[in-house]
Amino acid sequence: DGGITQSPKYLFRKEGQNVTLSCEQNLNHDAMYWYRQDPGQGLRLIYYSQIVNDFQKGDIAEGYSVSREKKESFPLTVTSAQKNPTAFYLCASSISPLTREQFFGPGTRLTVL
Amino acid sequence: AQKITQTQPGMFVQEKEAVTLDCTYDTSDPSYGLFWYKQPSSGEMIFLIYQGSYDQQNATEGRYSLNFQKARKSANLVISASQLGDSAMYFCAMREAGSNYKLTFGKGTLLTVNP
Repeated sequence: DGGITQSPKYLFRKEGQNVTLSCEQNLNHDAMYWYRQDPGQGLRLIYYSQIVNDFQKGDIAEGYSVSREKKESFPLTVTSAQKNPTAFYLCASSISPLTREQFFGPGTRLTVL
Repeated sequence: AQKITQTQPGMFVQEKEAVTLDCTYDTSDPSYGLFWYKQPSSGEMIFLIYQGSYDQQNATEGRYSLNFQKARKSANLVISASQLGDSAMYFCAMREAGSNYKLTFGKGTLLTVNP
């Protein structure tokens, strides 16, 4: 089945530790995105990538880093510089940035203790 | 200024009735698209419907329709014949051509369908 996988569903980390969230898609999509969602809020864009080996900062990139070495994979690292990392993180992909629909993964809920 | 405003934090509807979820937007870009997504309690975002700024007709997808009033900058979602499974958060989003095609989301409306 084609889709986007994010693992794990729940992630706990100690304050000050970097953590990497995985996002894999087998839809052959060029564009991939990372969003953050806080309680009672809409999604905010962290980073996006339109093609392999290229990515751009979104609206709230500070304290995060990404890589796009393979078309299928777009991991997000939450660094210790991110002041409030506890949130729900959603990965998405689309055929290209111009297409209408972004397909979303199931999300990872990160809690920093 | 908020680019997407959803003024209804929560809405209730009886099963089988229609419901309208409000969305207003703010942009000076003549080329943009408006989206509605559904987020069940599981967390995954599900695309429902899309309206382009140059589309002449309101978009429809099954029980979902978008009431697009360009001059008023509103893009309300209408769900007809509500079902219990429609209970979820609903987000309106906009993508402006001049913003490198990034999606901007509203804060959402929690819809509860009562039996």
